[in-house]
Amino acid sequence: DTAVSQTPKYLVTQMGNDKSIKCEQNLGHDTMYWYKQDSKKFLKIMFSYNNKELIINETVPNRFSPKSPDKAHLNLHINSLELGDSAVYFCASSPPRTGTQFFGPGTRLTVL
Amino acid sequence: KQEVTQIPAALSVPEGENLVLNCSFTDSAIYNLQWFRQDPGKGLTSLLLIQSSQREQTSGRLNASLDKSSGRSTLYIAASQPGDSATYLCAVRQSNAGGTSYGKLTFGQGTILTVHP
Repeated sequence: DTAVSQTPKYLVTQMGNDKSIKCEQNLGHDTMYWYKQDSKKFLKIMFSYNNKELIINETVPNRFSPKSPDKAHLNLHINSLELGDSAVYFCASSPPRTGTQFFGPGTRLTVL
Repeated sequence: KQEVTQIPAALSVPEGENLVLNCSFTDSAIYNLQWFRQDPGKGLTSLLLIQSSQREQTSGRLNASLDKSSGRSTLYIAASQPGDSATYLCAVRQSNAGGTSYGKLTFGQGTILTVHP
């Protein structure tokens, strides 16, 4: 299936731990994104990469570090997890020109 | 700073009604506007994308319009069905200095639609 996939789908962890979420797209898109959806369902962009280059970096704590080993992958590593990091994290990708965004299924992170 | 507002926050209608969801944005320097649907516990599904040079887009029972100068878009759903029940999100992509599509995407807070039989 052609799609944006994320792993894991659910992640439950203790405060202070370090965790990673992986994202892969096989759509051949150049641009990938990470979004955070909080408990009020508000979606906010965190990062965007184009061809492995960081192009958008919103005001996100530096505990969050995206890594793009190639243009099909954009992983999100989070250090020293805090309670407020609990949210659903969505990965997305888009082709050039149209900018239509395709979203992954989301990763629900719960920090205890 | 771009702000996107969606009205109403929630809408409950009987099956068969035609309905309109509204989206407004504060900065008209947009590259495009996209409407999404989100089902509970799921990711987002793109419904319609309108480029800044376009006035409307149609897909099946959905029609989205864009008035860039007034900072407004509407999503019209004809003959609503229970399967249309979901959260509908409007998102605006800014134009960046190079005029490319890499600008930031800003979402509204969504309209929760319930269509009852």
